Amino acid sequence: DTAVSQTPKYLVTQMGNDKSIKCEQNLGHDTMYWYKQDSKKFLKIMFSYNNKELIINETVPNRFSPKSPDKAHLNLHINSLELGDSAVYFCASGGSSSYNSPLHFGNGTRLTVT
Amino acid sequence: AQSVTQLDSQVPVFEEAPVELRCNYSSSVSVYLFWYVQYPNQGLQLLLKYLSGSTLVKGINGFEAEFNKSQTSFHLRKPSVHISDTAEYFCAVSVLNQAGTALIFGKGTTLSVSS
Repeated sequence: DTAVSQTPKYLVTQMGNDKSIKCEQNLGHDTMYWYKQDSKKFLKIMFSYNNKELIINETVPNRFSPKSPDKAHLNLHINSLELGDSAVYFCASGGSSSYNSPLHFGNGTRLTVT
Repeated sequence: AQSVTQLDSQVPVFEEAPVELRCNYSSSVSVYLFWYVQYPNQGLQLLLKYLSGSTLVKGINGFEAEFNKSQTSFHLRKPSVHISDTAEYFCAVSVLNQAGTALIFGKGTTLSVSS
């Protein structure tokens, strides 16, 4: 009964490939997010969706495309992977008043591009 | 714009010693502040949050934090740490703007507890 689940946990791939990371939450939250954690552990928001609508789109290469088929799922597709994309990607979800409610995070997907 | 500064990147302490992890924020509006913990190879777990009311907030695992508006700080404390507290700790501020809501994180503090 994991609240926010991501798959896969580890992803090793070569430069130029296309890959996807899936995220699902069973908390009934309206808002979902993707965060990127770099090698120095810095967490930066990439995207947020509210009820399947893109709300936040930070300065992220357009090779990254989030897709939300329904409010319980937010997948991240990455085209033409580059070495610099290597990081841990975290999915998170928050309630409708997520401004003052905590986010719930998945356990992360460690992406390694070789 | 809101931002968070964690003043110490690494804090080494001995078991059973007290610890304080420092966090300062900048915001021109009301703030909601959070501390998260990340154990090795895991996601982030909420330790505690400040939304309003009492400035002393108690969280899980014996941690507490004090919101100080005049000093724009939200330092995390524990009177006696355990080896199992070794982890990465993140202070975060909730941001609400035209683009929506998001958590903005500090750069993290690595707490290393040794015996």
